[in-house]
Amino acid sequence: AQKVTQAQTEISVVEKEDVTLDCVYETRDTTYYLFWYKQPPSGELVFLIRRNSFDEQNEISGRYSWNFQKSTSSFNFTITASQVVDSAVYFCALSEAMDSSYKLIFGSGTRLLVRP
Amino acid sequence: EPEVTQTPSHQVTQMGQEVILRCVPISNHLYFYWYRQILGQKVEFLVSFYNNEISEKSEIFDDQFSVERPDGSNFTLKIRSTKLEDSAMYFCASSEEYYNEQFFGPGTRLTVL
Repeated sequence: AQKVTQAQTEISVVEKEDVTLDCVYETRDTTYYLFWYKQPPSGELVFLIRRNSFDEQNEISGRYSWNFQKSTSSFNFTITASQVVDSAVYFCALSEAMDSSYKLIFGSGTRLLVRP
Repeated sequence: EPEVTQTPSHQVTQMGQEVILRCVPISNHLYFYWYRQILGQKVEFLVSFYNNEISEKSEIFDDQFSVERPDGSNFTLKIRSTKLEDSAMYFCASSEEYYNEQFFGPGTRLTVL
């Protein structure tokens, strides 16, 4: 069965530190999609990135970078030089091509607190 | 920039009452979803909707729940007889194609007393 595990429940860092949020997934499908969403204190879910299973190239967007490794079924998210505004709950999610609805299966989230 | 909208932002109701949560997905999107998030927990899939019919529903989506796309722009979630455990944040989402990212609305916080 498909599953997303975010083992880090809460991380606290001081501003300007780098921080990596871990995501491990399980799927029997060969075609699947991985996502990261940010949920700031205001509660909305903000899309950050989508990766498909055929594209293992790492991605960098400003201070954000993502490391996708199929060999370890991981899709980790690194924030470089963290800022207070990065404080939020971050969710990793999976959808599968064999699933006709392409619903998102979310991990339990990692709460990131960036202290000034 | 187009966005998903939801109304109301907060709904308080008595147990046993019917509620309708409304969503306006992004206009050129074809796939629609409802998720819910009980306070402090993860986001859970409720139902997906494509081509004017439900494509999948979760175990949570029992006979008390229904969805409709009445007019080509709105997408509604109805709970016929609310229970205390229905208290949660309900998110609507839409995507352009099945493989695209889903964009979420701001959510409706439902409180059942």
